[in-house]
Amino acid sequence: ELKVEQNPLFLSMQEGKNYTIYCNYSTTSDRLYWYRQDPGKSLESLFVLLSNGAVKQEGRLMASLDTKARLSTLHITAAVHDLSATYFCAVGSGTYKYIFGTGTRLKVLA
Amino acid sequence: NAGVTQTPKFQVLKTGQSMTLQCAQDMNHEYMSWYRQDPGMGLRLIHYSVGAGITDQGEVPNGYNVSRSTTEDFPLRLLSAAPSQTSVYFCASLGPNTYEQYFGPGTRLTVT
Repeated sequence: ELKVEQNPLFLSMQEGKNYTIYCNYSTTSDRLYWYRQDPGKSLESLFVLLSNGAVKQEGRLMASLDTKARLSTLHITAAVHDLSATYFCAVGSGTYKYIFGTGTRLKVLA
Repeated sequence: NAGVTQTPKFQVLKTGQSMTLQCAQDMNHEYMSWYRQDPGMGLRLIHYSVGAGITDQGEVPNGYNVSRSTTEDFPLRLLSAAPSQTSVYFCASLGPNTYEQYFGPGTRLTVT
């Protein structure tokens, strides 16, 4: 049974600082997703990672995937207040199922 | 395109009542799914469908029924609501060859 763990669960950081969110999963998968969710809102797709070594960047966010280590990271560079949100990773299980991590609540302080 | 739409946005039910949460998409996606999100948790898959007439269970299917008579619509039925079903429900669809899920705006359900 696939299990997905994210850490940290909560992250409070100063503007301008860098930090990394980790997503570990327990069994082999061929696809991993990162989403952003603002309070009371739906999920916004950030990245889809489909192969070992995949790296994608959008603005101050960069995601990478190591399928051998079963680990994905979401790196935040020079954080700004607008990045405050909850970030989820989700891992594909079989062909049609997706298992979500519990999320990382990020708060960027001015 | 409207994308994925859900109705209602908010609903309050009494224990034992039944209702249907509606979900529709206009992207001609074969795959659709329902998730629930509880406070401080990620999303958990309830049911999914890979096309009209084909549905299957996810992680937490008990207490919920689904059917898929058209490509566009994927309703979720609660036959006898329980307080444990208080949650935010999200519907999603998946495009072919993109591996990307598109989420609806959610339905916030409270069962008293």
